[in-house]
Amino acid sequence: DIVLTQSPALAVSLGQRATISCKTNQNVDYYGNSYMHWYQQKPGQQPKLLIYLASNLASGIPARFSGRGSGTDFTLTIDPVEADDTATYYCQQSRNLHTFGAGTKLELK
Amino acid sequence: EVQLVESGGGLVQPGRSLKLSCAASGFTFSNYYMAWVRQAPKKGLEWVATISTSGSRTYYPDSVKGRFTISRDNAKSSLYLQMNSLKSEDTATYYCARETTRPLDWFAYWGQGTLVTVSS
Repeated sequence: DIVLTQSPALAVSLGQRATISCKTNQNVDYYGNSYMHWYQQKPGQQPKLLIYLASNLASGIPARFSGRGSGTDFTLTIDPVEADDTATYYCQQSRNLHTFGAGTKLELK
Repeated sequence: EVQLVESGGGLVQPGRSLKLSCAASGFTFSNYYMAWVRQAPKKGLEWVATISTSGSRTYYPDSVKGRFTISRDNAKSSLYLQMNSLKSEDTATYYCARETTRPLDWFAYWGQGTLVTVSS
């Protein structure tokens, strides 16, 4: 099984940059693509796709969100952070079936 | 507009069965892989099952393999999850999710979820 590790929480100030990391115990690259995706979930709501294949912005997602990485190390960046960005962020791999990270809760300082 | 509406959740005793449904609209259902993802109370996301466009191929994690069965009816644009031998640890909100046109990619759209509580 591919295990995804995320930090539990992150606190940033409004207008600053938030960087959320996701590390895997196996390479999730395959034929030039990194099978890593990111979701945002606000309390009481369903998850929303933000980034697919490590760096592609999903439809309707503001350009403040970006993703990068390859192999076993990935990051989701929000710059600048807005109040509405307080949520839990999950990474998910699809190189071998599906697994999610435990989530990173983003809070404002 | 893509819409996924789950139904069928509720309170069920351990060892019993329950079948969830998901009604899809706003896209050509038969063109997409579909999935179920669950979330236990105050916990993270866990993938439960995926089904191919025709329904001929299904995928499960070990935690539910042999107990849960995913199926679809393309004529009705509907997705199902038959859950047998339910355990307390199956208590969760179950989300219906649309994948892509290829096997095992990402979850592009999600329903609002239906709560399943397994308790005596």
